[in-house]
Amino acid sequence: QKEVEQNSGPLSVPEGAIASLNCTYSDRGSQSFFWYRQYSGKSPELIMSIYSNGDKEDGRFTAQLNKASQYVSLLIRDSQPSDSATYLCAVNVYGNNRLAFGKGNQVVVIP
Amino acid sequence: DAGITQSPRYKITETGRQVTLMCHQTWSHSYMFWYRQDLGHGLRLIYYSAAADITDKGEVSDGYVVSRSKTENFPLTLESATRSQTSVYFCASSGKAGGIGELFFGEGSRLTVL
Repeated sequence: QKEVEQNSGPLSVPEGAIASLNCTYSDRGSQSFFWYRQYSGKSPELIMSIYSNGDKEDGRFTAQLNKASQYVSLLIRDSQPSDSATYLCAVNVYGNNRLAFGKGNQVVVIP
Repeated sequence: DAGITQSPRYKITETGRQVTLMCHQTWSHSYMFWYRQDLGHGLRLIYYSAAADITDKGEVSDGYVVSRSKTENFPLTLESATRSQTSVYFCASSGKAGGIGELFFGEGSRLTVL
């Protein structure tokens, strides 16, 4: 089983709608969870971090963490064309000072 | 300017040649990482370093060598390049005490091995 899995294919959403992305992880001891955004041809940049069960909101972004079910999700409210990018889920591997990344989910916001 | 820089940004080489990708950060971050990104595989960790003179292998370290004699530099060397090493390479750093938190990525180095 991969450390971090993002299985959804490309996601197309109309402008103004909610985009929902999911991520599961395998290591129950993981404590730190991150969402990175990567525009085409650019490097990843951090948009959200979450460490406790529940929701964390930052502007139009909400991260949700459920450690019992080992999943992390990202909601993008009022999606804008500028949100069109690939979103990478990353998890701090327990006992190691490194992040494991999922393959990413491409989001396309249609005006 | 402060930040993390990679060089070269683009490199074309031939099979069997040695290639070194440079990474330099000005934040004095303890942690530095090398990832490669390929279609269908996402970001995969090659090597990482917790401090100068401390390095550890990641999941795809075969064929790569790193060194970290100074905190700010973390060069990645492909000892004998193969076509399968054609990829985009990202260097990253993190300064969170007690472990890694936010990673700051360089702009990437696109390597083509012919």
